[in-house]
Amino acid sequence: AQSVTQPDARVTVSEGASLQLRCKYSYFGTPYLFWYVQYPRQGLQLLLKYYPGDPVVQGVNGFEAEFSKSNSSFHLRKASVHWSDWAVYFCAVSPYDSGYNKLTFGKGTVLLVSP
Amino acid sequence: GALVYQYPRRTICKSGTSMRMECQAVGFQATSVAWYRQSPQKTFELIALSTVNSAIKYEQNFTQEKFPISHPNLSFSSMTVLNAYLEDRGLYLCGARDNTGQLYFGEGSKLTVL
Repeated sequence: AQSVTQPDARVTVSEGASLQLRCKYSYFGTPYLFWYVQYPRQGLQLLLKYYPGDPVVQGVNGFEAEFSKSNSSFHLRKASVHWSDWAVYFCAVSPYDSGYNKLTFGKGTVLLVSP
Repeated sequence: GALVYQYPRRTICKSGTSMRMECQAVGFQATSVAWYRQSPQKTFELIALSTVNSAIKYEQNFTQEKFPISHPNLSFSSMTVLNAYLEDRGLYLCGARDNTGQLYFGEGSKLTVL
């Protein structure tokens, strides 16, 4: 069975600074990997997704993530954080053959943006 | 564009009563629908996967007797939480997949149980 670990429950970043949110996954096989964002009192919005191929994927709003098979990681990055990025970020993994709607989510990382 | 609408957005129900929530796919055909629950202070758990004209597959700890799901066509699914208790509270998300594999989430139905 697959699993996702987001080791940081909360991350605080100054507005304009760079950001990295960590994600480690466990899955025997070829995974699909995702980052979702949950804004206050809302559902999930897809930031980006990884399919086997280029390890660096670009997403919306300047986010990108890099897949590392050797490290079993899929860290999310952004060069310059904006106050509107304040939200909860979820990393998720899906088995290759599930049609990737059978997602296993991490516990989420709360991103706080300070002025 | 493709959207997923969930209704109702919020419900408050008494302990032991039931609550039905709906999921409508707009702009695409939802060949499969996944229902998730986010309990307070927790992550999203998969409840079940539903594919039109196939059996609904429930995850461990979730049953058809407790969370009956209907998926009658390619644009609509519903799920009921029967005999809701405190542990059933949370945000219920519907994720609908189109025939290219793209997954779209609704904004969720929040259930509060008194």
